[in-house]
Amino acid sequence: DAGITQSPRYKITETGRQVTLMCHQTWSHSYMFWYRQDLGHGLRLIYYSAAADITDKGEVPDGYVVSRSKTENFPLTLESATRSQTSVYFCASRGPGQGYEQYFGPGTRLTVT
Amino acid sequence: ELKVEQNPLFLSMQEGKNYTIYCNYSTTSDRLYWYRQDPGKSLESLFVLLSNGAVKQEGRLMASLDTKARLSTLHITAAVHDLSATYFCAALKGDYGGSQGNLIFGKGTKLSVKP
Repeated sequence: DAGITQSPRYKITETGRQVTLMCHQTWSHSYMFWYRQDLGHGLRLIYYSAAADITDKGEVPDGYVVSRSKTENFPLTLESATRSQTSVYFCASRGPGQGYEQYFGPGTRLTVT
Repeated sequence: ELKVEQNPLFLSMQEGKNYTIYCNYSTTSDRLYWYRQDPGKSLESLFVLLSNGAVKQEGRLMASLDTKARLSTLHITAAVHDLSATYFCAALKGDYGGSQGNLIFGKGTKLSVKP
């Protein structure tokens, strides 16, 4: 299907485990983003990527690692999950037009126990 | 540092009434975005406002941008239950290219429209 997809949609993991959230887009957009959404905070940017092999930190990068070996994929890894990382994670990509509009994936609900 | 504030954060309104959600941002930004989020769902783009004085309308929703006042509004006309959702505004950070073309989001306005 065309668009932006995330997997898994739901994940429960234990404190200290490594977990990877996947993001895939079919538009060949250069820019991709990872956000977390928490009650009372809106959406906060974790990491973003301008192109394959180019990534940079956002507002809340601590505890997260990203990579981007292919334009269409942008995985987010929690190297050692903590309870404070329980959240809903959204991946987004940015279209090429003047509007710099971002398009969001369906989200992954992560619970760290 | 660009900060985005929405108010109100919660809004309960009756069907048929009008209301406005306000989005203030702290530093220069001339692109403003409105998104809608239904419970448990992703964010859906509603409006992209590209310049000062921009006004866009879709159904019962109208968005406007005043870059001099650093203010965007989302006006709801004759609300219906289907408009119940959380609405986010976001401002474009800094320059448009490179590392500065990121969005800063407000905390969202949870709208509940009741019969």
